Order: sequence, then structure tokens, then C-alpha cells
Amino acid sequence: EVQLLEAGGGLVQPGGSLRLSCAASGFTFSNFTMSWVRQAPGKGLEWVSSIRGSSGTTYYSDSVRGRFVISRDNSRNTLSLQMNSLRAEDTALYYCAKSHQNELDTISYWGLIDYWGQGALVTVSS
Amino acid sequence: DIVMTQSPDSLAVSLGERATINCKSSQSVLYSSNNKNYLAWFQQKPGQSPKLLIYWASTRESGVPDRFSGSGSGTDFTLTIRSLQAEDVAVYYCQQYYTVPLTFGGGTKVEIK
Repeated sequence: EVQLLEAGGGLVQPGGSLRLSCAASGFTFSNFTMSWVRQAPGKGLEWVSSIRGSSGTTYYSDSVRGRFVISRDNSRNTLSLQMNSLRAEDTALYYCAKSHQNELDTISYWGLIDYWGQGALVTVSS
Repeated sequence: DIVMTQSPDSLAVSLGERATINCKSSQSVLYSSNNKNYLAWFQQKPGQSPKLLIYWASTRESGVPDRFSGSGSGTDFTLTIRSLQAEDVAVYYCQQYYTVPLTFGGGTKVEIK
């Protein structure tokens, strides 16, 4: 059974930093792209960042590029998101998410998400 | 960026009746080399994480009831719930995975009339 367990959320002041982590289990972690998707209170879903399984290639939304850094440790089945220079508009529930595509597949569709964690709440406020 | 526009924002449907949600992308998400539409549908029930329902615009994820179906191609897509059940009350999102940034529609809230 796929499990994604986020940790590290909390209250932080504007301009501060926070690091989220996601412990993954139930699948071969290194074979799958992993992503962070956020949801502001009462709002819709917003993609934040993704990292490929084997190459480690990273992708970011314009709203976080230069402030957030996504990383992964395939030996520990862990995904991380280092969030710096946080703003009030970064307040959201941050979901760790797994790609449907096994990178051994011939077709590339890494952006399709099939499993989501329960989320880690990040509140940016003074 | 590909903008995903859903309609309506909300709808109320009687139990057992059909619910139809539309999603329009600002550019085609049909990849010509494999003839696949890079379009997914998610269901998010209150207080829960999103759940994948449909991908490739019309392929039902394993375990998803067959009352859920997806259709469309290119830029226009539809999610249909054939016979609405009480457990289908949720917000439904479309998402394109054709290119980055990955983008979602604004969501459609489905309620019981």
C-alpha cells in the first residue's frame, strides 16, 4: 500500500523559512517523480514543484522559483521542500504527491499524480 | 501556461440523476505522437486529499466506480457521473499534465439537490 506522510508544517513569520518532508513507502521510490501541490484555505489546487526519480531534474512554478528548493533522498525514500523567504500567500496545505508513471515506462507522463499524502499545513503570519 | 477553465462552479443534482462537469484548456493537451490527451480528473471530498478518478481523459483509475466517465479531446473535456450517489458529494478538479507548469481547473462543487 502506497503511503505518503508529510511532516514539518507550522506557523512561520513572513520572510522566514520552513522545511517540509515526506516519508514514502509501498513503492519503489526512485522509479517515480514526486511533487508538491498546495491548497490555500478554501481554495483550489496549485502545483508547486516536481522532481524526477532517477535524474533528479527539478521543476518549479513561477510563484516559488528562487525561494523553494525540492530535493529527494532515494536511499531513505524521502522527499523534501525547503521553503525560504515565505510570504503570506504561501499559506496553504502542502501535499506530497506521487506520479502515476513508472520511469521505466516508455511513455513520459510524469505529471500525472495518482497518490496524495494527507498534507502539511503551513501558515505564514506575523 | 495552459489555463484550465471548469464549468459550472457548482451544481446540485438529485440522487440517481446525471451530473456533468466541463473543463476547457487554453491550448490542446493532445500529444500527437501518441494520440493521448494529457488530462486527468480528481475528486476531493470534504476534509480529504484529492483522489485520481480519470486519466488520459477517459481511462478510469482502478477501483473507481463505472458511473464515473470522462470524454473529450484536444481542448474540451467532460466528466460525467451517471447516477449520482450521496458519497459523490465533493469538489471535482481537472488537471493537464501535458506540460509544466502543471495546472488545475478551479474546481466544481457537486451537491445533492
